[in-house]
Amino acid sequence: DAKTTQPPSMDCAEGRAANLPCNHSTISGNEYVYWYRQIHSQGPQYIIHGLKNNETNEMASLIITEDRKSSTLILPHATLRDTAVYYCIVRVRVTGNQFYFGTGTSLTVIP
Amino acid sequence: DVKVTQSSRYLVKRTGEKVFLECVQDMDHENMFWYRQDPGLGLRLIYFSYDVKMKEKGDIPEGYSVSREKKERFSLILESASTNQTSMYLCASSLLGQGSIAYFGPGTRLTVT
Repeated sequence: DAKTTQPPSMDCAEGRAANLPCNHSTISGNEYVYWYRQIHSQGPQYIIHGLKNNETNEMASLIITEDRKSSTLILPHATLRDTAVYYCIVRVRVTGNQFYFGTGTSLTVIP
Repeated sequence: DVKVTQSSRYLVKRTGEKVFLECVQDMDHENMFWYRQDPGLGLRLIYFSYDVKMKEKGDIPEGYSVSREKKERFSLILESASTNQTSMYLCASSLLGQGSIAYFGPGTRLTVT
């Protein structure tokens, strides 16, 4: 059973904000939402994570809805180097702390 | 900086061979994970370990085993490699606890011929 749902692909103009959505309707109260990205042929790279509150770091912002059933990753000023596959992950506590990845969103930043 | 290293970036093995993929982390993390990644299927969890000598099956453990004799090292073993195990293999580690971050290695691209 899928734990997160993301659109398979998105485009974004260079310099504009990229907003990547994720649905996680079965999330439990103590499960964090994580975002990773993967550039071709490299290991996934951590971006940001959160539990209930919105979060911001030097890479991105994470907006989590009040009911926690969905979230949005925001890359404020997308560059060509942000072209990657972005994974939204809910860390499953019940079965032992694993990180379950879906198929992610392939973001293409267009010049 | 956290560092997760994998023994090989590229590996070619023959059907039926025993294959060892090794992963080492230098941050004293309790959790270690093995994933495989295939086009259109994303990352799928094979096995994970939360302590030395402890292991738990992930979604696709069939055809694989693991070994964790030391905290920093987690090995993935293909007892008898098959062509359907041709894939990218990714190792990760993290601290225990819900809010911890998983760090990934660069991956090993295994081809079984």
